[in-house]
Amino acid sequence: DVKVTQSSRYLVKRTGEKVFLECVQDMDHENMFWYRQDPGLGLRLIYFSYDVKMKEKGDIPEGYSVSREKKERFSLILESASTNQTSMYLCAIRYGGADNEQFFGPGTRLTVL
Amino acid sequence: ELKVEQNPLFLSMQEGKNYTIYCNYSTTSDRLYWYRQDPGKSLESLFVLLSNGAVKQEGRLMASLDTKARLSTLHITAAVHDLSATYFCAVDKGNQFYFGTGTSLTVIP
Repeated sequence: DVKVTQSSRYLVKRTGEKVFLECVQDMDHENMFWYRQDPGLGLRLIYFSYDVKMKEKGDIPEGYSVSREKKERFSLILESASTNQTSMYLCAIRYGGADNEQFFGPGTRLTVL
Repeated sequence: ELKVEQNPLFLSMQEGKNYTIYCNYSTTSDRLYWYRQDPGKSLESLFVLLSNGAVKQEGRLMASLDTKARLSTLHITAAVHDLSATYFCAVDKGNQFYFGTGTSLTVIP
């Protein structure tokens, strides 16, 4: 079974802090994704990565950056956290094959005070 | 930009009743996915629909896909309390997933 772990389930940070959210997969999947989930807005794609050192902007990249130095790890960085970045953050990997579906990690609920 | 609309957004139904959740999307797509999310939890895959006319069933849930109408449905048969959750559809386009806003289902005894 695929395992996707995220570094924290709950995180509380202060405005202006630099925040790192880590996502680690235990298989050799190339495609990894970061979403944020807010009530009434569904899931919105922040960034995704096809491979090591590769990254692509999603729909809402402003205020975020990412890092993928190793295939198994995809980090989301909030350079200077703001209160409007309070949200649930979900990491996902993509299977290959005919289904090509996404498998999600447990999520990190971030609160910025 | 691809848009995915679900309706209803909120659904309260009695146990034993049937109901359908609708997912419309704005451009052609090869694949459609249904996910379930329990409160405070992550998304769990329910169904993958890969072609026009595809139908999949698991227990009291049945999903179908009409690519010509750009419509997928998730039908609930004889609802039970355990089905209370938020259901999302997602469309695959250009290696990205586009999610609907979700349908929050509450099944009342």
